[in-house]
Amino acid sequence: AQSVTQLGSHVSVSEGALVLLRCNYSSSVPPYLFWYVQYPNQGLQLLLKYTSAATLVKGINGFEAEFKKSETSFHLTKPSAHMSDAAEYFCAVSANTGNQFYFGTGTSLTVIP
Amino acid sequence: NAGVMQNPRHLVRRRGQEARLRCSPMKGHSHVYWYRQLPEEGLKFMVYLQKENIIDESGMPKERFSAEFPKEGPSILRIQQVVRGDSAAYFCASSRFEASTDTQYFGPGTRLTVL
Repeated sequence: AQSVTQLGSHVSVSEGALVLLRCNYSSSVPPYLFWYVQYPNQGLQLLLKYTSAATLVKGINGFEAEFKKSETSFHLTKPSAHMSDAAEYFCAVSANTGNQFYFGTGTSLTVIP
Repeated sequence: NAGVMQNPRHLVRRRGQEARLRCSPMKGHSHVYWYRQLPEEGLKFMVYLQKENIIDESGMPKERFSAEFPKEGPSILRIQQVVRGDSAAYFCASSRFEASTDTQYFGPGTRLTVL
């Protein structure tokens, strides 16, 4: 079975500061991991995904995430926050078999000017 | 290349009425997924369909909910005799290949309000 835990439902950072959004997963098989961003009243947009290639994955808008098997983590980072990064961020996991994505409950990022 | 399209974007129904939500996948995508997002919660998988077939409906409530993806036309999520607890955002996603390794592309969602 697969599941995702996102620590911190709300994160606030100052503009220009480091962004760190945490995601831990549970999977009985090698996982595929995704980060999506959701802006208000919009659908989800893929930021990046890990599918068993390089453990450090670079995505759009300057975001990146590192797959750490020993810690069962896939934390999302960005060196310098921008006001436009304010949104809801979702981590998701899928198995290499089956069709479901399992989403975390989301982390709302606020960027303070 | 248009993305996943959903309509209507907002839908208001009274208790007991039917809600029909439509989803047109991206061009070339034959896999469609429906998710429900309740306030302050993440997305919960409902159903996975390919053309004319329901592949996995393990997340679909047993009563009042049904989904289809006909050979021609959009995928439809139908909720009969809606109740207030059905109020949520319903998202459709599509992928070219099976979801396990392929990216799912999401539509803007339909926000259902049941009065």
